Amino acid sequence: EPEVTQTPSHQVTQMGQEVILRCVPISNHLYFYWYRQILGQKVEFLVSFYNNEISEKSEIFDDQFSVERPDGSNFTLKIRSTKLEDSAMYFCASSGQGLSGNTIYFGEGSWLTVV
Amino acid sequence: AQSVTQLGSHVSVSEGALVLLRCNYSSSVPPYLFWYVQYPNQGLQLLLKYTTGATLVKGINGFEAEFKKSETSFHLTKPSAHMSDAAEYFCAVSAFSGNTPLVFGKGTRLSVIA
Repeated sequence: EPEVTQTPSHQVTQMGQEVILRCVPISNHLYFYWYRQILGQKVEFLVSFYNNEISEKSEIFDDQFSVERPDGSNFTLKIRSTKLEDSAMYFCASSGQGLSGNTIYFGEGSWLTVV
Repeated sequence: AQSVTQLGSHVSVSEGALVLLRCNYSSSVPPYLFWYVQYPNQGLQLLLKYTTGATLVKGINGFEAEFKKSETSFHLTKPSAHMSDAAEYFCAVSAFSGNTPLVFGKGTRLSVIA
């Protein structure tokens, strides 16, 4: 079964550093997403991406964050000047159609620890 | 705005016993409802979803959930728990129309006791 793959599975970074989390969505999917889960808290929506642009973003997704689809297969989340509170599990996801009612497939997540 | 409340952050059942994980939602528009499961060190896997039509939906691994509009609930059940069901379960809601993102509950950790 096709799957969403994410790298790295775990990254430790120093506060203030930039981090890039990478994702390979399912190949024929058109919608891509990033969610995050701070330890012990809810899974939270960050951003959705369609047709090479952001289609929706949450208030969490401020200027510190950016997303890019640099080629036909990868989808990246860049976090600039990381803060301690950015420590979380970041999930990439993709779907073939729009959000509503359609199955969103999640990757296994990238654990980010900011020290 | 939409929200999800999952009652009980941790539920423990004996092997073979009924599993009941509770989820209540709030939505100003007709909702789509989902249950995801997360096994240790793995990603989120869709168990089942309700969009339209039959209010009792069946998912993988013997789980099912019933959409009750009057109660704004979408509880997850399984008649007989298995050790392999031990995991974190997340209820999520999205709007019926438009590209609105999934809103997740806090999750319920299910433990199965032999």
